[in-house]
Amino acid sequence: AQKITQTQPGMFVQEKEAVTLDCTYDTSDPSYGLFWYKQPSSGEMIFLIYQGSYDQQNATEGRYSLNFQKARKSANLVISASQLGDSAMYFCAMREGPSGGSYIPTFGRGTSLIVHP
Amino acid sequence: NAGVTQTPKFQVLKTGQSMTLQCAQDMNHEYMSWYRQDPGMGLRLIHYSVGAGITDQGEVPNGYNVSRSTTEDFPLRLLSAAPSQTSVYFCASSLGTGSGGELFFGEGSRLTVL
Repeated sequence: AQKITQTQPGMFVQEKEAVTLDCTYDTSDPSYGLFWYKQPSSGEMIFLIYQGSYDQQNATEGRYSLNFQKARKSANLVISASQLGDSAMYFCAMREGPSGGSYIPTFGRGTSLIVHP
Repeated sequence: NAGVTQTPKFQVLKTGQSMTLQCAQDMNHEYMSWYRQDPGMGLRLIHYSVGAGITDQGEVPNGYNVSRSTTEDFPLRLLSAAPSQTSVYFCASSLGTGSGGELFFGEGSRLTVL
């Protein structure tokens, strides 16, 4: 069974609008971390945001926020005020912690986001 | 300011040939890992290491070999290349148990096996 599920292969958004990219995860480890990475067409992997399982507040980094719903095991990425440069692949990832996890993240299959002018 | 350095960036092999993808990091990270990226499959973990002398298999280890003799280096060896190993390979490092465990990636190596 997949540990990270991204159900949206592709998403389209109008410039300046907000968009939510979905991510659900599966773990029995009480200590885990959730990440989002961006991969533009140039191919590099860019870290966007991190949420720890014990963090009380949703993580935010500039225009990026992580909507963390622990009971639903979801960690959606919200991009506010989309820009043309946000067009890229977005990957959700999870690393599991000391209860048998390796601390090495596993990744979802990604969501391709296209921002229209 | 190098971070994670992977070489080569591009490589074409014939079936049956062997090669080594090099990976080095200068951040004194204990954790290093290799992923392969295929269209529609995301990044899949091949092998990882939690410190010098310690390696373990990931999700897709068959056909690959690793070793970790120093903290800095984590080479990935293809013993007998197959067309199914055509992919983009990423090396990454992290602090592991510290600071959330954010991965720092190399630029990727695109491998084609004919």
